Amino acid sequence: AQKITQTQPGMFVQEKEAVTLDCTYDTSDPSYGLFWYKQPSSGEMIFLIYQGSYDQQNATEGRYSLNFQKARKSANLVISASQLGDSAMYFCAMRGLSSASKIIFGSGTRLSIRP
Amino acid sequence: DVKVTQSSRYLVKRTGEKVFLECVQDMDHENMFWYRQDPGLGLRLIYFSYDVKMKEKGDIPEGYSVSREKKERFSLILESASTNQTSMYLCASSLPPGASGNTIYFGEGSWLTVV
Repeated sequence: AQKITQTQPGMFVQEKEAVTLDCTYDTSDPSYGLFWYKQPSSGEMIFLIYQGSYDQQNATEGRYSLNFQKARKSANLVISASQLGDSAMYFCAMRGLSSASKIIFGSGTRLSIRP
Repeated sequence: DVKVTQSSRYLVKRTGEKVFLECVQDMDHENMFWYRQDPGLGLRLIYFSYDVKMKEKGDIPEGYSVSREKKERFSLILESASTNQTSMYLCASSLPPGASGNTIYFGEGSWLTVV
């Protein structure tokens, strides 16, 4: 069975500091993809970053990077130089790479940035 | 601009009513998903579909059914609404897994209250 675990229900970080949001996963699929989404108070789901299990390098998108450690089954999101607008819920997600694969999400981490 | 449209943002229904939540996407995506979002539990997958008339149970299908008669439309049905189905429901769509299927598009969500 597939499972995503986010162990940090909430985090407070000072503005301009870097922050790491934890995500561990479990799957029996040989190939899979990992996602991070941001959900601000408005409720929309904003795609941040994607990492394929077959990718040799960690994914980066601007201030976001994904620290992918396949042997540990972890896919932590790193936000550099946090901003007030980063305050939101963050969800880690995973899907297998067969056509009938589902996409599952973790329970989320609420990140609050202090000025 | 890609779009996933959920027909109702806010609904109030009575216990025992049959409830239909509609989702339409305009991107010709094969894969569509229904989630419910509850505080502390994240997004939980109810059902998904990887093609017209194809459906698969997610992690919490009890009390729900789905219909996908056309590629662009995926309907979630609560056969007999109960108060524990009060929640926010999110529809999503994507291409099949792979290089082009690395983004999941979400609707704005439907807030359902069952009284």
